[in-house]
Amino acid sequence: GDKVKQSPSALSLQEGTNSALRCNFSIAATTVQWFLQNPRGSLINLFYLVPGTKENGRLKSAFDSKESYSTLHIRDAQLEDSGTYFCAAEASGDSNYQLIWGSGTKLIIKP
Amino acid sequence: EAGVTQSPRYAVLQEGQAVSFWCDPISGHDTLYWYQQPRDQGPQLLVYFRDEAVIDNSQLPSDRFSAVRPKGTNSTLKIQSAKQGDTATYLCASSFVQGNTLYFGAGTRLSVL
Repeated sequence: GDKVKQSPSALSLQEGTNSALRCNFSIAATTVQWFLQNPRGSLINLFYLVPGTKENGRLKSAFDSKESYSTLHIRDAQLEDSGTYFCAAEASGDSNYQLIWGSGTKLIIKP
Repeated sequence: EAGVTQSPRYAVLQEGQAVSFWCDPISGHDTLYWYQQPRDQGPQLLVYFRDEAVIDNSQLPSDRFSAVRPKGTNSTLKIQSAKQGDTATYLCASSFVQGNTLYFGAGTRLSVL
């Protein structure tokens, strides 16, 4: 099964509303990164997390390593938030570092 | 600070042709990664370097793909004889050290006809 499972796979929201994206891990994740791939295809790093919470403007993310999940909250969604959101986790115990990626959440913000 | 720079932005090939992709990471970043991203999928690691050394190339199809980073700065990924299944976006990323925040370039979109 998927080591990093993202939900939902797709989401459509009205501008100005709030949303929550989630990643569940079946690996012992030590760090998590969240990325936005915009409609032009660029991958933008949103957060790098050790267990805990970070906030940046309308975005807030949390990573709970004991419960094996991470969340990304978007407040007051804007049109430019549209794109695909990926989470990626680093697993402990790997001799060679590798980020394990989720399959993404496609987010569409409608005016 | 300049970001990760990739070229070309697009490439269109016939099967059997060769192509090279070039990446200039963020200055001072010792770790450089090449990813392949098929359409509507997440990025898949091909190879990564620490300085000039290949750390993991286990996912690189070694019969046709090669990657080098000779001076520990710029890197080149080459496909010797492209196949239609290689159609994807090829992304380069760098981080200050292994395990830190990943910064991606804009990617090269490859179509193999």
